[in-house]
Amino acid sequence: GAVVSQHPSWVICKSGTSVKIECRSLDFQATTMFWYRQFPKQSLMLMATSNEGSKATYEQGVEKDKFLINHASLTLSTLTVTSAHPEDSSFYICSARDPSEGTGELFFGEGSRLTVL
Amino acid sequence: GESVGLHLPTLSVQEGDNSIINCAYSNSASDYFIWYKQESGKGPQFIIDIRSNMDKRQGQRVTVLLNKTVKHLSLQIAATQPGDSAVYFCAETDTGRRALTFGSGTRLQVQP
Repeated sequence: GAVVSQHPSWVICKSGTSVKIECRSLDFQATTMFWYRQFPKQSLMLMATSNEGSKATYEQGVEKDKFLINHASLTLSTLTVTSAHPEDSSFYICSARDPSEGTGELFFGEGSRLTVL
Repeated sequence: GESVGLHLPTLSVQEGDNSIINCAYSNSASDYFIWYKQESGKGPQFIIDIRSNMDKRQGQRVTVLLNKTVKHLSLQIAATQPGDSAVYFCAETDTGRRALTFGSGTRLQVQP
């Protein structure tokens, strides 16, 4: 089946710095990828929809200037958490759908755990 | 906004028993539903899905039931095993939106 890979799987950074998380579709091209955030013991919350070659669509309450999304190719979307603060510590998960599969199944990466000190 | 929710935050069962995890959804426009399993520190893993034109779908040891009248979704796991211990999320979407909305999750604990 389709595989979505995230990197890094975990990262620790100092408050005020920026962190970039990559999401790659390994064996398919994805014009759209989705970024989710999950706080401990909570559900996944959609942050934004990443669109290849155009601006991302952000969910209500998500600061687009703080969470920069770039989808420069059909296999790579990046999420940059700018000027990170401890409250940004979370599990960030990306997902993508293989357009060649008729099921519409959404494939998820393994997640990136961000800890901001 | 509309949301997907669960009744039970934690479900504890004995190994070998059947498990039933329930989910209520409120978006009447949703036409595609999925159950995911999430183990600690990992991303969600697809279990089974169902479209709104069906009311039941079976997989290996798992069955999903959809009741559109009351907007209810359930996941049945037969002969629950210790490896089934995880958090289970239901998720829903409508074809036009494509993104998934997740429920709050149920932790399944399988007692040996």
